[in-house]
Amino acid sequence: DTAVSQTPKYLVTQMGNDKSIKCEQNLGHDTMYWYKQDSKKFLKIMFSYNNKELIINETVPNRFSPKSPDKAHLNLHINSLELGDSAVYFCASSRSRGDSGNTIYFGEGSWLTVV
Amino acid sequence: AQKVTQAQTEISVVEKEDVTLDCVYETRDTTYYLFWYKQPPSGELVFLIRRNSFDEQNEISGRYSWNFQKSTSSFNFTITASQVVDSAVYFCALSYDTGGFKTIFGAGTRLFVKA
Repeated sequence: DTAVSQTPKYLVTQMGNDKSIKCEQNLGHDTMYWYKQDSKKFLKIMFSYNNKELIINETVPNRFSPKSPDKAHLNLHINSLELGDSAVYFCASSRSRGDSGNTIYFGEGSWLTVV
Repeated sequence: AQKVTQAQTEISVVEKEDVTLDCVYETRDTTYYLFWYKQPPSGELVFLIRRNSFDEQNEISGRYSWNFQKSTSSFNFTITASQVVDSAVYFCALSYDTGGFKTIFGAGTRLFVKA
């Protein structure tokens, strides 16, 4: 069983469209994340949720809206897609936020291409 | 500042050579954690190791070894007798409490192992 799963794995869409990426973890973790990896492989955190509560919101355009219906799911919705949004988006999870040393486990990534 | 620096952008070695990937970090926190992740060409991010700031013992796991030195703020990763399957991008990461339990990543080092 995949620990952190995200769908779709590949997404090609036109500028201006709205799209969502879904993420689910079956590790029983309390904290979930979205990371963005750009074309130069740089990984940057976008959002972090703990038990459905937003705890980290980096400087991300408000076209990006995370939604956590329960602690096992964290979806990412993107409005009005732009060319610069093309990247790989990684969902991840870890145990409680109470310990910064909790290992983050990543999904396989969602390759988003905006044309 | 909280920062992770991987100065080596790309390294190319021939199979069976030993290779060391450097990681230097900066943090104000006294309690922090360091990680290494591997990203093979298939794209997923694989957790390799976690170290806390109070444990400077070196660690060996098969052909992999890690050298943590607080005096130089470094957490270097050595692959002994490299193999083609080691070809990947390797990320060093720092996790700390200040500002909300963040984990930040270095820019990654791309390792090419040639047969």
